[in-house]
Amino acid sequence: SQQGEEDPQALSIQEGENATMNCSYKTSINNLQWYRQNSGRGLVHLILIRSNEREKHSGRLRVTLDTSKKSSSLLITASRAADTASYFCATDDSSASKIIFGSGTRLSIRP
Amino acid sequence: DGGITQSPKYLFRKEGQNVTLSCEQNLNHDAMYWYRQDPGQGLRLIYYSQIVNDFQKGDIAEGYSVSREKKESFPLTVTSAQKNPTAFYLCASSIPGAQPQHFGDGTRLSIL
Repeated sequence: SQQGEEDPQALSIQEGENATMNCSYKTSINNLQWYRQNSGRGLVHLILIRSNEREKHSGRLRVTLDTSKKSSSLLITASRAADTASYFCATDDSSASKIIFGSGTRLSIRP
Repeated sequence: DGGITQSPKYLFRKEGQNVTLSCEQNLNHDAMYWYRQDPGQGLRLIYYSQIVNDFQKGDIAEGYSVSREKKESFPLTVTSAQKNPTAFYLCASSIPGAQPQHFGDGTRLSIL
């Protein structure tokens, strides 16, 4: 059962540009999380935003949440080569006992 | 250094063979999870455990088994009943509930 869907599936931008990824989900949530996965590695937690929050920042990351549209966006500003990775959103399931991952956005940063 | 250790990094399975993937954590987390990731795809939940000696099936449990005898350890067995086991397997842990998860670096399983 997939809750979140990321858009676009793949994104290629020039180093220094901003990257925006979107996540849409189907049912009401308590929180939404974003993770990064470098090729062949495990996922790394980036940020968690609660359903009563609209925006959250962490370094060059900015996450927004619109519960009326059931969507979230992840903005990475001033991208670097090291930001090349897949990015996943994850939402809690109806029992809030676990999280469900989307299919991810593959981000490539061109030098 | 606190973290999750998965071993081995690469594993090969012969026809009809069961194989066991190891996952150990020293983060003192009660909850542990096993995911399967196919190329270019997201993560699908196989099994999860919120506390020692208890575990629940995820979305794709058929052909897999787990045990949770110790808080630190959550091994996954891929049985011969799993006909398409080739994938990247990820183990994670967290405090119970829909909380941020810490991941190991995965085990890549292939068929000989």
